[in-house]
Formats: sequence, structure tokens, C-alpha cells
Amino acid sequence: AQKVTQAQTEISVVEKEDVTLDCVYETRDTTYYLFWYKQPPSGELVFLIRRNSFDEQNEISGRYSWNFQKSTSSFNFTITASQVVDSAVYFCAPSYLSGNTPLVFGKGTRLSVIA
Amino acid sequence: DVKVTQSSRYLVKRTGEKVFLECVQDMDHENMFWYRQDPGLGLRLIYFSYDVKMKEKGDIPEGYSVSREKKERFSLILESASTNQTSMYLCASSPRAGTVNYGYTFGSGTRLTVV
Repeated sequence: AQKVTQAQTEISVVEKEDVTLDCVYETRDTTYYLFWYKQPPSGELVFLIRRNSFDEQNEISGRYSWNFQKSTSSFNFTITASQVVDSAVYFCAPSYLSGNTPLVFGKGTRLSVIA
Repeated sequence: DVKVTQSSRYLVKRTGEKVFLECVQDMDHENMFWYRQDPGLGLRLIYFSYDVKMKEKGDIPEGYSVSREKKERFSLILESASTNQTSMYLCASSPRAGTVNYGYTFGSGTRLTVV
């Protein structure tokens, strides 16, 4: 089965620090989608970003940025100037075969931002 | 607003009971999914469906079955609940892959305890 690895199980930072969450995936496909989801303490997974494998432009959205590197099969997520509200579990999830297979979730990274 | 609704937030059932977890989406999505989430294991796919009356096994289908008689409803059935099925169950839906707004929308989850 194709895998996704989020090597960091838990990260703890002090408010206003920058933090990067790592994601490495395995695939033999040339066309696939990559997602990041956030799961706050309330439990509902919230969509953050979708990228397709043809678009290697890095993206910035407010305090969030994503670094997609196809050559290393990595799709890392950075939060700049972290806030307590960023505390959550973050999941990286690829969907292979042009999106025609279900999302494969990593085990998640629990981020704690301390005031 | 786009919605996936899971019928119960918390559920307590006895070992051996037949348990129904219901999921309804109002977005006319073709695809629906059931995942379970356990500490340290991330989200694991139980079953999914790409159309009415269609179902596919995920990574951990043993002990579960599903029903999709209508497009908007996807039910997860525990035929004879066991304590190792105590978990958080997450339902999700998505339009077909490749569509402009492709992505998963999750329900808020059902925390099932089997005693």
C-alpha cells in the first residue's frame, strides 16, 4: 500500500514561533492530489489546502505556507508566528490515481502552541 | 453551508449489539467514506462508496458492513459490536475527483464506546 509519513508525532512551540510540519509520501503515480487537514480539539477535520501533482508552486495563505517538492515526495506545512488557536492535530493526506482512490492519511502531528 | 451530519456525537453500546452509525450529506456528492480514528494510528479507512448501492472495502473492513441506498446517506454497521471497536468514527463525502472543488468534507465524528 502506498504510504504517507508524518515523522513528528508531537511538537510544542511557544506562541509567535514559526513551526514546520513534515510530510513525506510514497507514490508511483504521476498524477495525484495532496491535502492538509487540521483537527482542532472539537474533533472535526477542517480542510486547509489541496495541491495537484502538476503544480509545484509553493503557496502562502496568511500565516500558512506550503512547500511541495515532487523530487523528494514531500509536502511540508509551515505556520508563521504561531498562535494558541493553531493547537490541533494536523494531517497530511495524498489521494492517488488522479484522485480516484480514497485519501491515505498520515498518523498526524499534534501541535501545541503555548502562550 | 456544506454539511456532513453524523447522527450521534457519543454512543455507548454493549458487546454483541448490532450498531448503526448514520451519515448524511447535503452536497449531492457521489463519494462517501467511513474512517476510524485511534490514538497513534491516525485515520484508517473502513469502507467507501463511489455511487448509490456501490461499496468498496477499505483497509480495515473486518467486523463492519455498510449500506448506501440513497445518494445522501451512508450507514456503517457493526454486526456484533466488540470492545476493540471502541473508537472515533468519521464520515466524509466528496465530489468526483478532478472536479474544481474536489476535496473531502468531514462530519464531526461519532465517539463509540463498546462496553
